[in-house]
Amino acid sequence: GNSVTQMEGPVTLSEEAFLTINCTYTATGYPSLFWYVQYPGEGLQLLLKATKADDKGSNKGFEATYRKETTSFHLEKGSVQVSDSAVYFCALSDNDYKLSFGAGTTVTVRA
Amino acid sequence: KAGVTQTPRYLIKTRGQQVTLSCSPISGHRSVSWYQQTPGQGLQFLFEYFSETQRNKGNFPGRFSGRQFSNSRSEMNVSTLELGDSALYLCASSLDTGVNQPQHFGDGTRLSIL
Repeated sequence: GNSVTQMEGPVTLSEEAFLTINCTYTATGYPSLFWYVQYPGEGLQLLLKATKADDKGSNKGFEATYRKETTSFHLEKGSVQVSDSAVYFCALSDNDYKLSFGAGTTVTVRA
Repeated sequence: KAGVTQTPRYLIKTRGQQVTLSCSPISGHRSVSWYQQTPGQGLQFLFEYFSETQRNKGNFPGRFSGRQFSNSRSEMNVSTLELGDSALYLCASSLDTGVNQPQHFGDGTRLSIL
């Protein structure tokens, strides 16, 4: 079946540091890949997506590239802010009418 | 454009009771999905509806059920509540169920079982 593996957290960074969250996946077909972010007390917000190999999704300074050869979709941001503190989820959708999520990575950015 | 609306936001029940949660999708969205979020199990898929038809169901006991109405609004029901049902229940909607369609989430219903 489909599955997503995310790097374990929590991750603590200083403002303006570089952020990377690793994500790898297993899928039987050709999935679409997503990053969602969850702030305290809220639901999930779509951060970015990529629908085919070598696509790069980007939003709010975050980027992730769909790497079919390594089955990966790592999230990166060059300079984080305190407001980026949240839980980040990698997810895939593979023609089965559902999202399969990773475990989530808690990111804390200190001023 | 209004987002996905879930009611109620918070709910406290006791073991053995039943509960119904409601979800209003974004206008024009016809697919509605439900997820359970817990610290131990993370985000787990419950079921997905499109045009009043359940098209996929996760690995949950029959106590968990749902339905979708002709206006795309959806409800989920949990009967004979157990302590382990305490969780954040998230509803998501999308335009269609195509692989490329992102799902848009509501803020969830926090269910606590005493």
